[in-house]
Amino acid sequence: EVQLLESGGGLVQAGGSLRLSCAASGFIFSNYAMNWVRQAPGKGLEWVSAIGAGGSTTYYAESVKGRFTVSRDNSRNTLYLEMLSLRADDTAIYFCARGVSGVASVDVWGQGTTVTVSS
Amino acid sequence: QTVVTQEPSFSVSPGGTVTLTCGLSSASVSTSHYPTWCQQTPGQAPRTLIYNTNIRSSGVPDRFFGSILGNKAALTVSGAQADDESHYYCVLYMGGGISVFGGGTKLTVL
Repeated sequence: EVQLLESGGGLVQAGGSLRLSCAASGFIFSNYAMNWVRQAPGKGLEWVSAIGAGGSTTYYAESVKGRFTVSRDNSRNTLYLEMLSLRADDTAIYFCARGVSGVASVDVWGQGTTVTVSS
Repeated sequence: QTVVTQEPSFSVSPGGTVTLTCGLSSASVSTSHYPTWCQQTPGQAPRTLIYNTNIRSSGVPDRFFGSILGNKAALTVSGAQADDESHYYCVLYMGGGISVFGGGTKLTVL
């Protein structure tokens, strides 16, 4: 069974940092691009970042560019999101999602991890 | 700034058919945008129903159908059931690794 399990969320002060992880199982992780998507309380979904299957290509939404870094360890089947200079408007549930057709679509989602940034 | 447009809300009768759409503020949607449709009920993670315009994800019933209608992507739900009552989000691939979600449509079955 294909599974994605996020971890690393928590409460952090504005200006602080956090690293999220997404552990993948049930598929050949190194064959797939991966994405991060977030959802602020009571709001819709927002695409945050994507990374190619090999890890050499990365992409970011303007709202996080320069502050967030996506990476992956294919030997550990794990995706990461390093978040620096966190702001109150980064407060959200962060989901990882498996890419299909490269980074163009997503087909499987994790359950999410909650990040709360206090100001 | 790219804006992906969706109807804020829609209602359908049980057993009925409804078509939700996903457009762009300043262009036509095509298969090159790899339209993806996701369903989300409150408190749950999203679930992809359709990706690459019209490919159903594993386990998704064929009551859900994705297409391009005119200049928009479309999700048609036929034989609507009570548990179809959810938020439906489309996401479009804009190229250069960037994707953009629409604001979502709240579907009510009544």
